[in-house]
Amino acid sequence: GAVVSQHPSRVICKSGTSVKIECRSLDFQATTMFWYRQFPKQSLMLMATSNEGSKATYEQGVEKDKFLINHASLTLSTLTVTSAHPEDSSFYICSAKEWDTQYFGPGTRLTVL
Amino acid sequence: AQKITQTQPGMFVQEKEAVTLDCTYDTSDQSYGLFWYKQPSSGEMIFLIYQGSYDEQNATEGRYSLNFQKARKSANLVISASQLGDSAMYFCAMRELGAGNNRKLIWGLGTSLAVNP
Repeated sequence: GAVVSQHPSRVICKSGTSVKIECRSLDFQATTMFWYRQFPKQSLMLMATSNEGSKATYEQGVEKDKFLINHASLTLSTLTVTSAHPEDSSFYICSAKEWDTQYFGPGTRLTVL
Repeated sequence: AQKITQTQPGMFVQEKEAVTLDCTYDTSDQSYGLFWYKQPSSGEMIFLIYQGSYDEQNATEGRYSLNFQKARKSANLVISASQLGDSAMYFCAMRELGAGNNRKLIWGLGTSLAVNP
């Protein structure tokens, strides 16, 4: 089956620093990847849709300058949380679309001190 | 507007028994897809099963089957012969139609399933 990796799985950083999260489709090419945020005991919240070679499409209320997305190849999308603050602490999870199904990475737990 | 409703915040089932997790949806589209994902405590979202709106037969994948009732707009997940490893959150989702590849998934709030030994 389709496999998506995400790195790092867990990161702790100081307030004001930037954190980059990578999402890779390992055995298929994904022209479209999605970035989600999940708060404890809640459903997934779509942040943005990432298309290879073009600008990401951000959901309403998501700051594009805060959450930078780059989809430079058909197997890699990155999310950079710039100038992270404690309220950015969350579980970030990416997915890559193969045909009609989204396959998810294992997620990244970000803690901003 | 498209919407997914999962009315069961938590469910319990005895090991080896079957369990049904409810999902109803609302859409005015004629063509759509329905998905179920499992999220264990590790956080990973695991794709379980897919049902297309034009599929005449209910989807099945191993111990998972989808009870698709189009007229009632329901897409319940049935897990047969529950195992301890089935304890997890289960999310129902619907694929939104749109142009190109930017077709978003609409998510339910999830059902927490606990399998008792």
